[in-house]
Amino acid sequence: ETGVTQSPTHLIKTRGQQVTLRCSSQSGHNTVSWYQQALGQGPQFIFQYYREEENGRGNFPPRFSGLQFPNYSSELNVNALELDDSALYLCASSLDGELFFGEGSRLTVL
Amino acid sequence: GIQVEQSPPDLILQEGANSTLRCNFSDSVNNLQWFHQNPWGQLINLFYIPSGTKQNGRLSATTVATERYSLLYISSSQTTDSGVYFCAVARTNAGKSTFGDGTTLTVKP
Repeated sequence: ETGVTQSPTHLIKTRGQQVTLRCSSQSGHNTVSWYQQALGQGPQFIFQYYREEENGRGNFPPRFSGLQFPNYSSELNVNALELDDSALYLCASSLDGELFFGEGSRLTVL
Repeated sequence: GIQVEQSPPDLILQEGANSTLRCNFSDSVNNLQWFHQNPWGQLINLFYIPSGTKQNGRLSATTVATERYSLLYISSSQTTDSGVYFCAVARTNAGKSTFGDGTTLTVKP
């Protein structure tokens, strides 16, 4: 149990749709990061939020966006879904250099 | 950005055998973690080890930061050790970590 919770656990969308994934970080952790893990690969950094501001972004297009709320929970939004967006989306909070991950949201785009 | 290379990509062992997994990285880092990903996708923290050696039961890890590599040792492997092992590194901000492609370990009874 890492204390990081994500929802939904699984979802299916069609191309062109939009999706919102949610994450509640571990108590006391004010930094949230999102990662995308395609099948057979390691997780890739999407972006990080610190005190409700984006604090760094990986190599992902603007249709990937996010929010962080005053209670440090976070959302990942993906617009105009493409087939290649099918992946496991992982949320992590960090404290003193150590990352703690949620169980992930598995997105399938048809 | 930092490149992370894990080896071997796949490893098959008999129960009870020992194994060593390696993580090489291309630049100096202040954060390094090892994770085990279970079949449901959850990343389980094994070690936070930017330098030095740590042990936790049958598992231990060593990071030689000056030579840019880390090793994960699994002794007396069990079938429950099966899964994918990832190394993740970051220069400063752990939240912006770079992962390797993992080592898939299969332990046969």
